[in-house]
Amino acid sequence: TQLLEQSPQFLSIQEGENLTVYCNSSSVFSSLQWYRQEPGEGPVLLVTVVTGGEVKKLKRLTFQFGDARKDSSLHITAAQTGDTGLYLCAGADNYGQNFVFGPGTRLSVLP
Amino acid sequence: DAGITQSPRHKVTETGTPVTLRCHQTENHRYMYWYRQDPGHGLRLIHYSYGVKDTDKGEVSDGYSVSRSKTEDFLLTLESATSSQTSVYFCAISRTDQNTGELFFGEGSRLTVL
Repeated sequence: TQLLEQSPQFLSIQEGENLTVYCNSSSVFSSLQWYRQEPGEGPVLLVTVVTGGEVKKLKRLTFQFGDARKDSSLHITAAQTGDTGLYLCAGADNYGQNFVFGPGTRLSVLP
Repeated sequence: DAGITQSPRHKVTETGTPVTLRCHQTENHRYMYWYRQDPGHGLRLIHYSYGVKDTDKGEVSDGYSVSRSKTEDFLLTLESATSSQTSVYFCAISRTDQNTGELFFGEGSRLTVL
């Protein structure tokens, strides 16, 4: 069974600080995705990384896929209160149709 | 907007009653999924479908059944609801490009079983 772990589980920081959250597995995935979920809503896709070592940037968010395609990190620069939410990573199998989710990192950015 | 609608959005029911949740999509995607989300467990797959009348079990399928008689609708049924099925249920569709797949979720259905 493929499992994804995320750390930290909870993170509370002040606006303007930088942070990194991690997604780790012992399994190899064909792609890995990051989602953000706000209370009362469904998860929303932020990014998909496919190639080992790949780095993608989305404004203040930087996503990296590990060289071995087993882990990923999400770095937020100068966090804003609007970044508050639950961040989920998900690994996809070779066909891109079966997904395993991590338990999430709950981020709170304080004004 | 991925055109996914879930109904009902909220439901309270009693133990032992049947419950059906509906997921409707407007974009004609082949793959549809039902997940449940519980504190400490994240999103867990209940069942998924890869076409009309083609479904398969996920990791937490016990006590649930699904049906897909039309491309646009994917129904999740709890035959006899139990308190352990109190959860938030999410439907998702997959947009597949180059085998990476990307999930798009509905807004969720919050079910409380008393």
